[in-house]
Amino acid sequence: KAGVTQTPRYLIKTRGQQVTLSCSPISGHRSVSWYQQTPGQGLQFLFEYFSETQRNKGNFPGRFSGRQFSNSRSEMNVSTLELGDSALYLCASRATGDYTFGSGTRLTVV
Amino acid sequence: GEDVEQSLFLSVREGDSSVINCTYTDSSSTYLYWYKQEPGAGLQLLTYIFSNMDMKQDQRLTVLLNKKDKHLSLRIADTQTGDSAIYFCAESSYNQGGKLIFGQGTELSVKP
Repeated sequence: KAGVTQTPRYLIKTRGQQVTLSCSPISGHRSVSWYQQTPGQGLQFLFEYFSETQRNKGNFPGRFSGRQFSNSRSEMNVSTLELGDSALYLCASRATGDYTFGSGTRLTVV
Repeated sequence: GEDVEQSLFLSVREGDSSVINCTYTDSSSTYLYWYKQEPGAGLQLLTYIFSNMDMKQDQRLTVLLNKKDKHLSLRIADTQTGDSAIYFCAESSYNQGGKLIFGQGTELSVKP
């Protein structure tokens, strides 16, 4: 079966811009969660969506938002980008206990 | 808050066994996971164990869980150079919803 698909793989944005990242989960998985990975902070939880509802949110500013569509695909949006938002953004889909991650989107803010 | 700790580096010789250790603080952990990350890649789920299990074996991988001490280990038998990567331990619990708490990662270096 197809895995978790994240697009795009790489992005370069300028400070102050906004960006939208996409995640298509494994077919049949209704839970999608997002993580930010940086060398300094490691892997940090952003939010989780289940059946189009945000179920849990990490400790990130309101500039970070997300949504989930009826087909379980999810997007996350970061507005007013800062240099510190440069990171690998990973999404994971889950049916029960196992979280399967995508390859990530590498965002560079210049 | 909840925390997961790992040692940062491990170096082994090809053919030896590798043991990567992890400790966690959340006594209500439900599942514990091991992920592998190669340079420039996402996270590959290696294995996971339910908190009421002590051990799980999957080919060259053996996971041991000591729930009393909140200690998890991953043993890789017959370690190969292709096993060189960063290994992350993570835990989840029902009361945290769909949130994984990760350790800092252990960089495994396998020398020929």
